[in-house]
Amino acid sequence: QLQLQESGPGLVKPSETLSLTCSVSGGSISSSSYYWGWLRQPPGKGLEWIGSIFYSGSTYYNPSLKSRVTMSVDTSKNQFSLNLRAVTAADTAFYYCGRQYGGSGMGIEYWGQGTLVTVSS
Amino acid sequence: EIVLTQSPGTLSLSPGERATLSCRASQSVSSVYLAWYQQKPGQAPRLFIYGTSNRATGIPDRFSGSGSGTDFTLTISRLEPEDFAVYYCQQYRSFDVTFGQGTQVEIK
Repeated sequence: QLQLQESGPGLVKPSETLSLTCSVSGGSISSSSYYWGWLRQPPGKGLEWIGSIFYSGSTYYNPSLKSRVTMSVDTSKNQFSLNLRAVTAADTAFYYCGRQYGGSGMGIEYWGQGTLVTVSS
Repeated sequence: EIVLTQSPGTLSLSPGERATLSCRASQSVSSVYLAWYQQKPGQAPRLFIYGTSNRATGIPDRFSGSGSGTDFTLTISRLEPEDFAVYYCQQYRSFDVTFGQGTQVEIK
């Protein structure tokens, strides 16, 4: 059974960089069938897609966040990562990683449990 | 960017009743790339429907999806207690992903 687990600081200061890692177990991140994505959800609000990455390193990002986002993949560790620069209080949210599958119309079949990141001084 | 608008915002129904949730897109969406998720408090979303009408693994057949173009619908034929939750639609097109704002199905 595929499992994803987010890790990283729960508190980030304004103007700094939010960095999270998603560790994948029970399957290989190097499969050509899947994209690996980051999403977020401010407490009590809706879902927002941040971006996705292929095992080769090719990425696509939400246009509204593109200037601040970098994603990377480490196939040797079966992990992928998110960096979000110049954060503000508006970036406070639960951050989820997930797996997108073309066979399910790029739906996100597997999700991490989510991690709350608070932006505050 | 394709904007998805879900209606109603909140649906108050009793167990056993039928629920009809709407998702309207600002531009045409391929039926292949329209999905629905369920989210319960404190949990990650769960994929329920993909490709407009295909149930994901383990999803009961009281859930069905339909639609095309800019109008899509999730129907729950008879609400069970575990179905009361928030439902989101999601689309994918040209390396862009957007979600609707969600419909909360609550117990009346």
